[in-house]
Amino acid sequence: ETGVTQSPTHLIKTRGQQVTLRCSSQSGHNTVSWYQQALGQGPQFIFQYYREEENGRGNFPPRFSGLQFPNYSSELNVNALELDDSALYLCASSSKQGASANEKLFFGSGTQLSVL
Amino acid sequence: GESVGLHLPTLSVQEGDNSIINCAYSNSASDYFIWYKQESGKGPQFIIDIRSNMDKRQGQRVTVLLNKTVKHLSLQIAATQPGDSAVYFCAENRSGGYNKLIFGAGTRLAVHP
Repeated sequence: ETGVTQSPTHLIKTRGQQVTLRCSSQSGHNTVSWYQQALGQGPQFIFQYYREEENGRGNFPPRFSGLQFPNYSSELNVNALELDDSALYLCASSSKQGASANEKLFFGSGTQLSVL
Repeated sequence: GESVGLHLPTLSVQEGDNSIINCAYSNSASDYFIWYKQESGKGPQFIIDIRSNMDKRQGQRVTVLLNKTVKHLSLQIAATQPGDSAVYFCAENRSGGYNKLIFGAGTRLAVHP
């Protein structure tokens, strides 16, 4: 186990609704990244948070937003849900040391979101 | 949980054989590479990593080979066991910024007794 915990494990929403997913990072890690994994594909980078600020973003629209809290835990918010948002949402934590970014990511088990 | 990688390429091996999973990466500027294992209903689990200043790195039963000339990465698993059955992803990163991993499409490894 990585020590990265996510909640809830499963969620069902309808199109147009909003959702908040939560993640607690591994002890000692100060950086949280969120990934979306569609069925049959590799994870796709959504964004990363470091020192409570967004520190990089993938090709996702603004309705995907996030927060990082002083204890390094994080939330992913998705507004105006679409059917294609159905996926496994993965949180990963890592320890960023200064300018170095090449640290291995430790993933949680994910939240399976189904949009009907 | 739902299965991952329902339509992925599959490598079938006999228990005890060696497995080789291949990956082509896209960015010649990438300088850090990781292999992850993902079992059904779980998140990706770190296996081994390698930096671009190396061409080989060994772990416990696993070896990663990096060929920067042809942008190719491979994962070798010795004495494959049923517990190795999973989907395997390679991922690349480029230093100088945030830790954004680009994942490959994945390969399903099926180990038969």
